[in-house]
Amino acid sequence: GAVVSQHPSRVICKSGTSVKIECRSLDFQATTMFWYRQFPKKSLMLMATSNEGSKATYEQGVEKDKFLINHASLTLSTLTVTSAHPEDSSFYICSASVHLAGGQFFGPGTRLTVL
Amino acid sequence: GIQVEQSPPDLILQEGANSTLRCNFSDSVNNLQWFHQNPWGQLINLFYIPSGTKQNGRLSATTVATERYSLLYISSSQTTDSGVYFCAVLNRDDKIIFGKGTRLHILP
Repeated sequence: GAVVSQHPSRVICKSGTSVKIECRSLDFQATTMFWYRQFPKKSLMLMATSNEGSKATYEQGVEKDKFLINHASLTLSTLTVTSAHPEDSSFYICSASVHLAGGQFFGPGTRLTVL
Repeated sequence: GIQVEQSPPDLILQEGANSTLRCNFSDSVNNLQWFHQNPWGQLINLFYIPSGTKQNGRLSATTVATERYSLLYISSSQTTDSGVYFCAVLNRDDKIIFGKGTRLHILP
């Protein structure tokens, strides 16, 4: 149980385009989903927390208009990187949780490369 | 805010050896998890352990909440154990804080 999927697993795009990444909880309903960014050989950096049906809460320094998050249902959250630039290239990971104190489960990650 | 420190930052061991990874945290936490990130980037839940001791095969973990640390033990290491081990805590404000990880290399 507690499986989280992400799609796509890898994406290469041109500078200026927008990229959407989906995060799904496959066998449970997630009240909260999280989006992380990870640079090579670094730890995970929390970007935002999203709850179904409400606006995402962004961490300090993360641009809301750059990284659009939609949590349309209890099993789906999307992250859209708008007008992507090479500096947005990174490994993006989502996680989902039924309740925060119960732990979170991670998706396999999406590797974004912006040319 | 709460600080999460993991040690050692890097560890190289021969296959079959045992290891202990440590996670110190500077304040009370509501939750603590250990994860293994494999070479492909997938984070795998190892333990949800806000307190006490748990075991799963060759891995076990102990969290002493009153002393603000957790230990992850790996016995009879295998090459597939290589990767980065993260500890993450949930603080009293429901913020998730990750440590910087321990990078483990198991040599055949």
